[in-house]
Amino acid sequence: EVQLVESGGGLVQPGGSLRLSCAASGFTFGDYWMSWVRQAPGKGLEWVANIKQDGSEKYYVDSVKGRFTISRDNAKNSLYLQMNSLRAEDTSVYHCARGGGRSGWWNPWGPGTLVTVSS
Amino acid sequence: DIQMTQSPSSLSASVGDRVTITCRASQGISRSLNWYQQKPGKAPNLLIYAASNLQSGVPSRFSGSGSGTDFTLTISSLQPEDFATYYCQQSYSTPYTFGQGTKLEIK
Repeated sequence: EVQLVESGGGLVQPGGSLRLSCAASGFTFGDYWMSWVRQAPGKGLEWVANIKQDGSEKYYVDSVKGRFTISRDNAKNSLYLQMNSLRAEDTSVYHCARGGGRSGWWNPWGPGTLVTVSS
Repeated sequence: DIQMTQSPSSLSASVGDRVTITCRASQGISRSLNWYQQKPGKAPNLLIYAASNLQSGVPSRFSGSGSGTDFTLTISSLQPEDFATYYCQQSYSTPYTFGQGTKLEIK
């Protein structure tokens, strides 16, 4: 069974940092683009970043450029999102999702991890 | 950025009804349009990709159509488990963007 499980969320003060992780299983992780997509409480979906199979290409939404870094470790079947200079508007559930490269769609998604930025 | 506009934002319908949700892109996106279903507290689930391709395991009552700027998601006969929020998403160019969602409620 294909499975994605995020971890690393929590409460952080504005200006702080967090590193999210996503553990993948049930498929050959290194064969797929991977992405992070977030959803603010009660709001819609927003693509955050994606990364190519070998990590050679990375793309970000403008609102996180220079603050967030997506990375992956294919040997550990893991995806990461380093989030620095966090702002209140970054408060969301962060989902990792398989896909988002040439295909442009995501399947499946992990259940998500909640990041709350508040003092 | 490509703006995606869904209509309606909410919809009340009954079991057995035929329902259509529309999605309009602010510029032409060919057939690079995907549809997701999301239930409360759960991750989105891919229903349709590339405008009209049914994702494996998704019931055949779901269908998608369209190209260019105008797209539709149709549920041919609503079932109780279909009451959820539906999102369209363009995969034509980054930043990939979503519609605001259509909440489908029981009448």
